[in-house]
Amino acid sequence: GAGVSQSPRYKVAKRGQDVALRCDPISGHVSLFWYQQALGQGPEFLTYFQNEAQLDKSGLPSDRFFAERPEGSVSTLKIQRTQQEDSAVYLCASSPRTSGSYNEQFFGPGTRLTVL
Amino acid sequence: AQKITQTQPGMFVQEKEAVTLDCTYDTSDPSYGLFWYKQPSSGEMIFLIYQGSYDQQNATEGRYSLNFQKARKSANLVISASQLGDSAMYFCAMREGDPNDYKLSFGAGTTVTVRA
Repeated sequence: GAGVSQSPRYKVAKRGQDVALRCDPISGHVSLFWYQQALGQGPEFLTYFQNEAQLDKSGLPSDRFFAERPEGSVSTLKIQRTQQEDSAVYLCASSPRTSGSYNEQFFGPGTRLTVL
Repeated sequence: AQKITQTQPGMFVQEKEAVTLDCTYDTSDPSYGLFWYKQPSSGEMIFLIYQGSYDQQNATEGRYSLNFQKARKSANLVISASQLGDSAMYFCAMREGDPNDYKLSFGAGTTVTVRA
């Protein structure tokens, strides 16, 4: 399979725990995005990487959220001291391009995080 | 302000009939791209169709077509000859042309249920 993969697919955490969500983009894709999708809503942008550089983190809801992509391929979204409002599906997307209005993003299956 | 508005939370359509999903958008950027994604219950976002702001013709992709009315800022998706497998959530999204703005802004989505 050459698509975007994410792991784990499901994660249950107790409030206050730290979690790490992994994204494997399509090989060679320069751009990588993280989105948060609350139940019944559209995805909301969290952060964007171009290769290993995090160019936009304006959507991260608090300083408990941290993302990295150290080698320009795999990315990890970390949430510290999880809260119930963090419960959502976290979607990763990658794209071969860096600019231009046509910039199709290929999405992974998402990680469904439930914080108890 | 919402950049993408989808006013239809849910729609029912008879198999083999056509359905139109509404989408209006708000941007002051002359260069932008509009996307439609399908999200089945499995959770993965599937790209359907793209329309660029400078495209002269409405985009078509198989059974999907986009009714682009630039002056009205609308980009409605038409699904012709509906199939049971079309039952899913549908999202309209926009990427604005600012080179520093990479993210997609999504609407709240429309749930489509195809009846046999």
